[in-house]
Amino acid sequence: QVQLVESGGGVVQPGRSLRLSCAASGFTFSNYGMHWVRQAPGKGLEWVAVIWYDGSNKFYADSVKGRFTISRDTSKNTLYLQMNSLRAEDTAVYYCARDGDGHDYWGQGTLVTVSS
Amino acid sequence: SHELTQPPSVSVSPGQTARITCSGDALPKKYAYWYQQKSGQSPVLVIYEDSKRPSGIPERFSGSSSGTMATLTISGAQVEDEADYYCYSADSSGTHGVFGGGTKLTVL
Repeated sequence: QVQLVESGGGVVQPGRSLRLSCAASGFTFSNYGMHWVRQAPGKGLEWVAVIWYDGSNKFYADSVKGRFTISRDTSKNTLYLQMNSLRAEDTAVYYCARDGDGHDYWGQGTLVTVSS
Repeated sequence: SHELTQPPSVSVSPGQTARITCSGDALPKKYAYWYQQKSGQSPVLVIYEDSKRPSGIPERFSGSSSGTMATLTISGAQVEDEADYYCYSADSSGTHGVFGGGTKLTVL
């Protein structure tokens, strides 16, 4: 069965960096685009970034462009989100999601807290 | 920039029909998707490409889209359908996604 498992969240000071991972299993990872979506505490969903199935294209929300980088390692079936210059407003649960017919599978999320 | 607008809340009694709307300028050209998120859980896709229902989603969930508005309809809403519902679409270039602000559905 399809599984997406995020990791790498934690507490980090403003201006520092963090890398999130999303381990995929149960499907052919290289056939699907992948998204990162975040949700600040008590708030709605916010689309963050997408990477195409072959890694050839990457797109970002304006709120993270230039600070976050999405990438994938097909040999490890893993999606990444490198987050630099973190701000308090980046505090959120970060979900990875498969781009099938819509975001058809989601992980359980990993919490990132940016605080001094 | 691309935006999707949803009502903050909708309330119905059990067995009634709940309709949640989503408006956005890109919707005439881009599909709408709908997600259900129950408290403390990850979102679940309930409608894709305006009106298609993933396997395992009850038939009472349906979707439609016309012009700049997409609608999620829950026919005969049940207590277990209480959740936050989000619409989603890509922008006109197809490169950036956006979620609506979410609608809290109360069934009581």
